[in-house]
Amino acid sequence: DAGVTQSPTHLIKTRGQQVTLRCSPKSGHDTVSWYQQALGQGPQFIFQYYEEEERQRGNFPDRFSGHQFPNYSSELNVNALLLGDSALYLCASSRQGNQPQHFGDGTRLSIL
Amino acid sequence: GENVEQHPSTLSVQEGDSAVIKCTYSDSASNYFPWYKQELGKGPQLIIDIRSNVGEKKDQRIAVTLNKTAKHFSLHITETQPEDSAVYFCAAHLMDTGRRALTFGSGTRLQVQP
Repeated sequence: DAGVTQSPTHLIKTRGQQVTLRCSPKSGHDTVSWYQQALGQGPQFIFQYYEEEERQRGNFPDRFSGHQFPNYSSELNVNALLLGDSALYLCASSRQGNQPQHFGDGTRLSIL
Repeated sequence: GENVEQHPSTLSVQEGDSAVIKCTYSDSASNYFPWYKQELGKGPQLIIDIRSNVGEKKDQRIAVTLNKTAKHFSLHITETQPEDSAVYFCAAHLMDTGRRALTFGSGTRLQVQP
């Protein structure tokens, strides 16, 4: 049973560029959440997608956007990258209702 | 919104000793409290969770306790082993509502000395 898979594992970009990160949820899960984890800190909630709609958003600017596809996979897009966007981006999947969130191993994004 | 504080930030124990990590939360409505273990280069792995209708839950060497009145919960690891060395995160969540986000503590780096 495949868990949550994320791609790519590492990415290096320069300021001002745009990036797309991808996530495939655990089998049987229909909800995807994205988190940003800065070095030495806990994950911070970016947003959650269910039924191809953004259901809740954390305190992140509009430069961060996402999408969910009919097969429940999801993308996170970040425009106009800043140095402060350097972080580990984590995807978590769950089933609607009383189910816990399971995380992938993340994409390490470095901005030069 | 919810705020979760976690202590200590680092914890060093001898193999075989017990380790305790404590968290407090601010929103009395939160009703679900998971604990995650994060190893170097990996994502957080769910190790145990507790819901607000339960005061304690055990799974082999790990246990979690919840005090709703005081709004704090703790992770207990007994008979620690070197493979328990990792960063541990607590989180709080309000399930069954439109609020979807897990709010995490800042993490505890546990080092088990052989």
